[in-house]
Amino acid sequence: EVQLVESGGGLVQPGGSLSLSCAASGFTFSSSWMSWVRQAPGRGLEWVANIKQDGREKYYVDSVKGRFTISRDNAKNSLYLQMNSLRGEDTAVYYCAREGEPGGWRQLDYWGQGTLVTVSS
Amino acid sequence: DIQMTQSPSSLSASVGDRVTITCRASQSFNNYLNWYQQKPGKAPKVLIYAASALQSGVPSRFSGSGSGTDFTLTISSLQPEDFATYYCQQSYVAPRTFGQGTKVEVK
Repeated sequence: EVQLVESGGGLVQPGGSLSLSCAASGFTFSSSWMSWVRQAPGRGLEWVANIKQDGREKYYVDSVKGRFTISRDNAKNSLYLQMNSLRGEDTAVYYCAREGEPGGWRQLDYWGQGTLVTVSS
Repeated sequence: DIQMTQSPSSLSASVGDRVTITCRASQSFNNYLNWYQQKPGKAPKVLIYAASALQSGVPSRFSGSGSGTDFTLTISSLQPEDFATYYCQQSYVAPRTFGQGTKVEVK
């Protein structure tokens, strides 16, 4: 059974930092692109970043470029999101998700349960 | 970036109704278009990928169509468990943008 379990969310002050983790199991983690998607309270889904299987390609939405860093450790079957210079508008539930089977259509076919990040003083 | 625009933003329907949601992209791309369903407090679930392919385990009342810039999600006969919010997403290029969502409510 595929499982994605996020952790690391919490309350942080504006300008602060937070690191999210996503533990993957039930599939060959090292063969999959992985993504982070967020959802602000009462709002829609926003794709944040993704990372290639070997970690050598990374892409970000403009609003987080230079502040967030996506990374992975294939030996630990783990995905990470380092978030710096946090702003109120970064308040959201953060989901990690798998980008489908390699060579496929890149749909997000498995999702974690999400972890809440609240940026507030 | 490719902008995805869904319509309507919300709709009211009854069990048994046929429901259609549209998604328009700001530029044309081949069929890297996905549809997701999300219920309150839950993670999204993929329904359709490649514009028209049914994800494994998804009921056949869900279907997708379209190409280029215009795509459609259809629910042929709305069931009680289908009241939810639906999102389109392009997975053609990063950033892999979502539409703003369509909330399907009870009439």
